[in-house]
Amino acid sequence: QKEVEQDPGPLSVPEGAIVSLNCTYSNSAFQYFMWYRQYSRKGPELLMYTYSSGNKEDGRFTAQVDKSSKYISLFIRDSQPSDSATYLCAIQPGYSTLTFGKGTMLLVSP
Amino acid sequence: DTGVSQDPRHKITKRGQNVTFRCDPISEHNRLYWYRQTLGQGPEFLTYFQNEAQLEKSRLLSDRFSAERPKGSFSTLEIQRTEQGDSAMYLCASSGQVADYGYTFGSGTRLTVV
Repeated sequence: QKEVEQDPGPLSVPEGAIVSLNCTYSNSAFQYFMWYRQYSRKGPELLMYTYSSGNKEDGRFTAQVDKSSKYISLFIRDSQPSDSATYLCAIQPGYSTLTFGKGTMLLVSP
Repeated sequence: DTGVSQDPRHKITKRGQNVTFRCDPISEHNRLYWYRQTLGQGPEFLTYFQNEAQLEKSRLLSDRFSAERPKGSFSTLEIQRTEQGDSAMYLCASSGQVADYGYTFGSGTRLTVV
């Protein structure tokens, strides 16, 4: 079992839809949880990070962590075509290197 | 400061040749990371520097790979005797010393070995 599992998609939604992206992880030592967005031929950019169970909101984005289930989610409200990208979850066991999921490709159609 | 810079953006090389990539991190960041990303996969950790010291290396980093960060500023990643399996995007990232979760990535160097 890989340390971080993420459905690669693609996930296709119409503009304005609510998008749910998910990852599961296996190592309970992971403490910090991040979501990165990666456009084609670009490096990943940090969208959100959190270190505790619960929700964290930033504009249209909400990150959710359930440490008991080892499950993290990213919700995007009112999705826009500009949100079309690959979304990578990343998990960090303390202040150390990141372990990434495979990424989920999201396509938002106008 | 314009973020993390990587050079070149693209590199095509013949199998067996040596290649070197450069990364210039954000100036106030003392931690620098190299990751490799292949199509359809997330980035995989290669190596990590704190200042000029190379503190961690992945088992993915075979003896054909070497990384340096002289004077704790820019870093280079060299691949000797390239193989077709080395074709990938090589990503550099940096982060600060104080709890600064998450990295700032560069745009990467795309290597194609023919």
